[in-house]
Amino acid sequence: AQTVTQSQPEMSVQEAETVTLSCTYDTSESDYYLFWYKQPPSRQMILVIRQEAYKQQNATENRFSVNFQKAAKSFSLKISDSQLGDAAMYFCAYRINDMRFGAGTRLTVKP
Amino acid sequence: GAVVSQHPSRVICKSGTSVKIECRSLDFQATTMFWYRQFPKQSLMLMATSNEGSKATYEQGVEKDKFLINHASLTLSTLTVTSAHPEDSSFYICSASAGTRYNEQFFGPGTRLTVL
Repeated sequence: AQTVTQSQPEMSVQEAETVTLSCTYDTSESDYYLFWYKQPPSRQMILVIRQEAYKQQNATENRFSVNFQKAAKSFSLKISDSQLGDAAMYFCAYRINDMRFGAGTRLTVKP
Repeated sequence: GAVVSQHPSRVICKSGTSVKIECRSLDFQATTMFWYRQFPKQSLMLMATSNEGSKATYEQGVEKDKFLINHASLTLSTLTVTSAHPEDSSFYICSASAGTRYNEQFFGPGTRLTVL
């Protein structure tokens, strides 16, 4: 069975600083997709970034980047120049046929 | 990105009644739709996967007779909570995908169900 583990229930970062959210997963598959979603208080799921497992290059989207270590089954999210609007729940997810989520990390951004 | 809508956004019902939640893909054809349940301060738990024109596949522990899912067209899936009880109160989120494996899933805004 595929599982996704987010070991940090809560994280805090100072505005303009950098923070890294951790995620590990367990799978026997070689081809899959990994995602980071943001869920603000509105509870709308917002895609932050995604990574195809067959790609070695780490995905980046503006201030968001990932550190994908396939052998270690690790998929961390780095947020640079943190902004107040980045405060939210962040979910790591894994997908082959359907999407499975980690428990989430609540990110607080301090002004 | 693709847009998925859900209706209603909030619903309050009495215990024992049934509630239907609609999920629509507005600008693409969703071959597969997913229903998730999210309790307060918890993660999204997959309830079932439905493919257009086929019976839904339910996750272990999800009662198929209680949570009826219909995916009659490529743009609409419905979740009916039958004989709702207070413990069914939760946030229900649908998601839609235009492909099979690997494709991105697009999420609806969710429906908050409160059963009195």
